[in-house]
Amino acid sequence: DAGVTQSPTHLIKTRGQQVTLRCSPISGHKSVSWYQQVLGQGPQFIFQYYEKEERGRGNFPDRFSARQFPNYSSELNVNALLLGDSALYLCASSLIAGATDTQYFGPGTRLTVL
Amino acid sequence: TQLLEQSPQFLSIQEGENLTVYCNSSSVFSSLQWYRQEPGEGPVLLVTVVTGGEVKKLKRLTFQFGDARKDSSLHITAAQPGDTGLYLCAGAIGANNLFFGTGTRLTVIP
Repeated sequence: DAGVTQSPTHLIKTRGQQVTLRCSPISGHKSVSWYQQVLGQGPQFIFQYYEKEERGRGNFPDRFSARQFPNYSSELNVNALLLGDSALYLCASSLIAGATDTQYFGPGTRLTVL
Repeated sequence: TQLLEQSPQFLSIQEGENLTVYCNSSSVFSSLQWYRQEPGEGPVLLVTVVTGGEVKKLKRLTFQFGDARKDSSLHITAAQPGDTGLYLCAGAIGANNLFFGTGTRLTVIP
């Protein structure tokens, strides 16, 4: 079975631009979570979606938004990019919502903002 | 600012040595998870501990959850080069928020 897939693998943008990252969960998983991992740090929670509804939100500005589609795939959008948005963006899927449910991570999208 | 602080931040040891990684917080967690992350990949779950004082073993890895559910430790016996990676603890607060630690980068030298 395919694991969590993310696209693109790498992305380079300039300050002020907008970016959309995509995630496909493991088949049968209904929950998707997004994390930001800055170099040298642990991942920080951004959003969790379950059944197309937002179930959790981390301490990120409104420039960050996400949505989940009927097929449970998800997109993360970041507007007005800042240099500090450069990071590895991880998507994780799980069967149900909830921080204690086992989450399976994708390989991430490496975003560089110049 | 991250809720969970891990120590040490970096650890380089010889094959066969033992080591302990610590994960500390002033917050109480409903559960705590340990992950290992290798370059170019996402974190992979190693274990989840739920009860204060709980100890779980996974081959040469021993995980302990503090009695007050604020801290945890990971002990590796007879480390091998394959144990090299970034070890992350993550604590759950509430239903949907998972907070990761700062990470410990382990290098095991053959």
